[in-house]
This record gives sequence, C-alpha cells and structure tokens, in this order.
Amino acid sequence: ETGVTQSPTHLIKTRGQQVTLRCSSQSGHNTVSWYQQALGQGPQFIFQYYREEENGRGNFPPRFSGLQFPNYSSELNVNALELDDSALYLCASSLNRNINEKLFFGSGTQLSVL
Amino acid sequence: KQEVTQIPAALSVPEGENLVLNCSFTDSAIYNLQWFRQDPGKGLTSLLLIQSSQREQTSGRLNASLDKSSGRSTLYIAASQPGDSATYLCAAPQGAGGTSYGKLTFGQGTILTVHP
Repeated sequence: ETGVTQSPTHLIKTRGQQVTLRCSSQSGHNTVSWYQQALGQGPQFIFQYYREEENGRGNFPPRFSGLQFPNYSSELNVNALELDDSALYLCASSLNRNINEKLFFGSGTQLSVL
Repeated sequence: KQEVTQIPAALSVPEGENLVLNCSFTDSAIYNLQWFRQDPGKGLTSLLLIQSSQREQTSGRLNASLDKSSGRSTLYIAASQPGDSATYLCAAPQGAGGTSYGKLTFGQGTILTVHP
C-alpha cells in the first residue's frame, strides 16, 4: 500500500461549478503528477508539479489548474465543470525525478458532474 | 506524440492458465516501459518497470519483456489465479528526455478475469 492519499474519495458536482481535489504524497516525495481517467480508458496526463513549480502539462484546457505546497501536497482545481469532466482523478508521487523510478499512485477521487 | 495500444481489450481464462498481454507503442525512443495493475475503482499499482537497456523483468509469476525496435512489450502471467483478476495497463513516457519523467502515456488496458 502506498503512502499517497487523495481526498475526497467521491464527489458530485453540477455543470458550471468549481471543484478542488487534494493529494498528499508520500513523505519527502517532491514530484506530483495528476491524471484523469475516464470510464473504460487509460489515465491521461494532466500536469506535473516539481518543488512547487508546474513542470509540464498535457492536453487540458486552462480551467484545469494546480498547486503544490511547501510540504509537497498538491491540489487540482477545475473551473466551469463540464459533463465530460466526470472521471477518476489520480495523483502520483515520487521521491526523485529519476527517469527509471516508479510512480506511486493514490486511490483517486471519483468526480461525477451532473 | 506517443501512442500506446493494448491487445486484447478483455480476456477471460480458467484458473491455472498461462497468459500473455500485449502492448505496442509508437515512439521507440523511450527510457522505460511500465506495467500497472488497477482494481475496480482504485488507483494503480506498479508491477514492473523495464528500462530501455533491459529486455525483460520478472517479479514472481509476472514477466515483462520489451522490444524497442518493434515497439512492443508483453506481460506474461504464469499459472493465473482468481486474485489476478484486474485491469492491466502499460505506460510509456511521453518522450525520450529526462523531462518526460512522470509524464506517461497509457494504453486503454486489458481487463483480465480469471475464473475458478
């Protein structure tokens, strides 16, 4: 079991609302990556934070934004929610940015947009 | 742009069978390829990471191979058990450089069901 925790586990919102998802990485892990996984699909990379700076972004619009805090915990914010934003949101952390280091994933936040 | 495809999409086998899951990727300039397991509604658990300098990795009943030249990887599961039932995902970095760390392109997964 990894030390990556995400909250909340489930969330229901309506179209147009805003949502904040949280991720607490394993102790000392300074890199956090966020992924969106639609039903029946593989996860898609949203963005990555390294030492509080955004370090790469996938093909997601600006209404998807994030933060990383000094303790390396992270938030994913989504504004103006759309029905297609319904998905499992996963965060992954690691200690070092070694290209051959495994990522540790949390259990995810299941977001439903009605 | 890296694209990853997995075949088959679903597989149902009786307990005890040996089985092979396939993964193909379009950009062969990768540092590594990873295989993950995902239980329903849960996060991902890393099973194996094969570095580009390696041809295969083994962990227990799992063996993964990597052939960069052909853009293919296979995950072999020996003596399958009902507890192996899950979705198996392969993932390749989105590029060859160090900046690709943590930025993975996933396949759609293979849903495996092992029945007693």
